Amino acid sequence: EVQLVEFGGGLVIPGGSLRLSCVVSGFTLPTSSMYWVRQALGRGLEWVASISSSGKYIYYADSVRGRFTISRDIAKNSLYLQMNSLTDEDTGVYFCAKGDWLDPWGQGTQVTVSS
Amino acid sequence: AIQMTQSPSSLSASVGDRVTITCRASQDIRNDLGWYQQKRGKAPELLIYGASGLQSGVPSRFSGSGSGTDFTLTISSLQPEDFATYYCLQNYNYPRTFGQGTKVEI
Repeated sequence: EVQLVEFGGGLVIPGGSLRLSCVVSGFTLPTSSMYWVRQALGRGLEWVASISSSGKYIYYADSVRGRFTISRDIAKNSLYLQMNSLTDEDTGVYFCAKGDWLDPWGQGTQVTVSS
Repeated sequence: AIQMTQSPSSLSASVGDRVTITCRASQDIRNDLGWYQQKRGKAPELLIYGASGLQSGVPSRFSGSGSGTDFTLTISSLQPEDFATYYCLQNYNYPRTFGQGTKVEI
């Protein structure tokens, strides 16, 4: 069974950093593209970043480019999102998801940026 | 970036109703469109891929249609567990873009 579990959310002050992890099981990262999507409270879904199955191609939303970095560790079955220079606009639940059809998703991890 | 315009933003319906949600892309995206259901406090789940492909395990009352710029998600007979928010997503190119969501309420 394919499963994704996110870790690493929390409360951070504006300008701070946080690293999210997504541990996967039931498949290996070189076989699938991976996505990060976020959702502010009461708002819609926003795509954040993607990494191709080869790891060669990486894409970012304009709102996070230059501040966020997506990466993976194949040996640890883990996907990461390093988030720097955080602002209150980055507050929300962050989900990881598998494949270009984003299926399945993890349960999400809450990130709160506040002083 | 491709804009995805979903309508309506919300609707009220009853159990047994036929419900239709539409999503319009600002440019041709072939059939590179998915539909997702999100229940309160939960992660989204894939319902339809490739505009009309029913994801494994999804009830057959859900169907998708369309290609190019205009797409439709139909629930043929609304069930109590279908009250949720629905989103479309284009994966034709980057940046990936979601519709703003349709909340289906009683």
